[in-house]
Amino acid sequence: AQTVTQSQPEMSVQEAETVTLSCTYDTSESDYYLFWYKQPPSRQMILVIRQEAYKQQNATENRFSVNFQKAAKSFSLKISDSQLGDAAMYFCAYRSAGDDKIIFGKGTRLHILP
Amino acid sequence: EAGVAQSPRYKIIEKRQSVAFWCNPISGHATLYWYQQILGQGPKLLIQFQNNGVVDDSQLPKDRFSAERLKGVDSTLKIQPAKLEDSAVYLCASSYLQGNTIYFGEGSWLTVV
Repeated sequence: AQTVTQSQPEMSVQEAETVTLSCTYDTSESDYYLFWYKQPPSRQMILVIRQEAYKQQNATENRFSVNFQKAAKSFSLKISDSQLGDAAMYFCAYRSAGDDKIIFGKGTRLHILP
Repeated sequence: EAGVAQSPRYKIIEKRQSVAFWCNPISGHATLYWYQQILGQGPKLLIQFQNNGVVDDSQLPKDRFSAERLKGVDSTLKIQPAKLEDSAVYLCASSYLQGNTIYFGEGSWLTVV
């Protein structure tokens, strides 16, 4: 069975600085998708960035980028120029291309210090 | 494009009572998911529909939880009777095709007292 591990329950970063959130996963599949979701206090899950496993190029969305290491099964999220609005829970998620299930990690709470 | 709609947003009930949550996915999305998110944890999949058929309900506590998606569009999740440990946010999500991005609703907050 696939698993997703986020080893950092909480992190803090100074406003305008860069922070990296870690995620590792375990799977025997070769075709899958990885996501980072942001969950503010309202609890709605907002997609931050998506990565297809077959693509070697790391995904980027404005200030958000990932470091996807397929062999190491690592999928970290880098947030550049951190803003107060980035404060939230961040969930790493794995989606199998086969059965379409999506599995979440336990989340990392990100604090932005003014 | 309208997002995933859920109601009610908040519900407080006593243990052993029943509750129902409704979800309307994004138009045209064939796949619908219900997740349970207990405070401090990641979402846990309860049930996944493909059109009006169940794809996975392996983690649904079937003695008290039920869900249906009769016409392959909107869906209802019911809990009867509720227990204290059912206090959580119930997230509905939908997806167009296999492999596509999953979009979430705002969630229904349940407190069982």
